[in-house]
Amino acid sequence: GAGVSQTPSNKVTEKGKYVELRCDPISGHTALYWYRQSLGQGPEFLIYFQGTGAADDSGLPNDRFFAVRPEGSVSTLKIQRTERGDSAVYLCASSQGVQLRRNEQFFGPGTRLTVL
Amino acid sequence: QQQVKQSPQSLIVQKGGISIINCAYENTAFDYFPWYQQFPGKGPALLIAIRPDVSEKKEGRFTISFNKSAKQFSLHIMDSQPGDSATYFCAASKGRDDKIIFGKGTRLHILP
Repeated sequence: GAGVSQTPSNKVTEKGKYVELRCDPISGHTALYWYRQSLGQGPEFLIYFQGTGAADDSGLPNDRFFAVRPEGSVSTLKIQRTERGDSAVYLCASSQGVQLRRNEQFFGPGTRLTVL
Repeated sequence: QQQVKQSPQSLIVQKGGISIINCAYENTAFDYFPWYQQFPGKGPALLIAIRPDVSEKKEGRFTISFNKSAKQFSLHIMDSQPGDSATYFCAASKGRDDKIIFGKGTRLHILP
């Protein structure tokens, strides 16, 4: 079956611009997660949704970052006034429910964001 | 402050050998410890996981050893194969918290 898909696969933008990154979760998965993976590092948690609401946004680095999931399926991560330090691979994951030990998170291939 | 510390950063092993990656944690609230495998251009994929009430878990050629008192756990890959060449991440999570806390990763290369 189809896995988690993310678009675009690569995004190059200029400092100060606005970008949107899209995640299509596995059909039927109620939980959706965003992580950021900098070069040579492990993924870092940003935010997760249970249904349409953000259950935990404690990983968002500042108010330039925002994410939505209006219909409980597709999610968009939005970054305003991009900075060079935002360059990273942004990973999306989805799972059937909460509690990692009971519900595996399946990751997409990521969007590589480069801010020039 | 890094909550999950992983070593080594990179590892080269001969085909057929044993690959060993080590991790340590501080937060005793962690109660689930997964390992992920990541190939270039792909997202991480769950490889094997363990709970702290178990000292060892084996799935095929992959084994997790867990030492709760030392707050350490390790991944052993037996009979390592070139197809195992990838980056491996240890990780931890706690209770109902769904965040995965990842280590920095180990880049493993198996020589043919």
